[in-house]
Amino acid sequence: GAVVSQHPSWVICKSGTSVKIECRSLDFQATTMFWYRQFPKQSLMLMATSNEGSKATYEQGVEKDKFLINHASLTLSTLTVTSAHPEDSSFYICSGVLAPDTQYFGPGTRLTVL
Amino acid sequence: AQSVTQPDIHITVSEGASLELRCNYSYGATPYLFWYVQSPGQGLQLLLKYFSGDTLVQGIKGFEAEFKRSQSSFNLRKPSVHWSDAAEYFCAVAPNRDDKIIFGKGTRLHILP
Repeated sequence: GAVVSQHPSWVICKSGTSVKIECRSLDFQATTMFWYRQFPKQSLMLMATSNEGSKATYEQGVEKDKFLINHASLTLSTLTVTSAHPEDSSFYICSGVLAPDTQYFGPGTRLTVL
Repeated sequence: AQSVTQPDIHITVSEGASLELRCNYSYGATPYLFWYVQSPGQGLQLLLKYFSGDTLVQGIKGFEAEFKRSQSSFNLRKPSVHWSDAAEYFCAVAPNRDDKIIFGKGTRLHILP
């Protein structure tokens, strides 16, 4: 099956710094990628929809200025958590859509903000 | 608004026993339904999906699910579980085939030896 990778797999940063997470579709082109957030022992919550070459669409309650998403190519989307705070600590998961209809999920990135 | 309910937070079954994980959805139109499994340290893996057609869907690893429109349910079943099936299972719904997915809260499956 298709593979989606994320880098880094885990990151620890200081409060106030910014962190960039990469999501790559390794063997397919993903016009659409999704970013999810998962708190410990909870479900995945959709943060935003990322379309190649256009602005991301954010879900209600997600701060677009805090979670910057860039989908610069058909195989790469990035999520930058700006001015991170401890409450941003979470597990971030991306997925890429392999046309016509199958989403493949990355392994996730564990972010810890001290 | 779409929603997915997984009423069981934890389920424990003995190895070799049958399994059924419950899932109910709320959606006005015909939903696109999924079951995913998440193992510790691993990404989400699609077990099966229902878009249309036969309401009994076969998936990977011996899993199957049945779509019942009258009950708004999409329960996951396996006739005989293996210790390696211990994981978190998520039921999910999407409005379109390639659209954002709404996940249930998950059911953690524990297997007794």
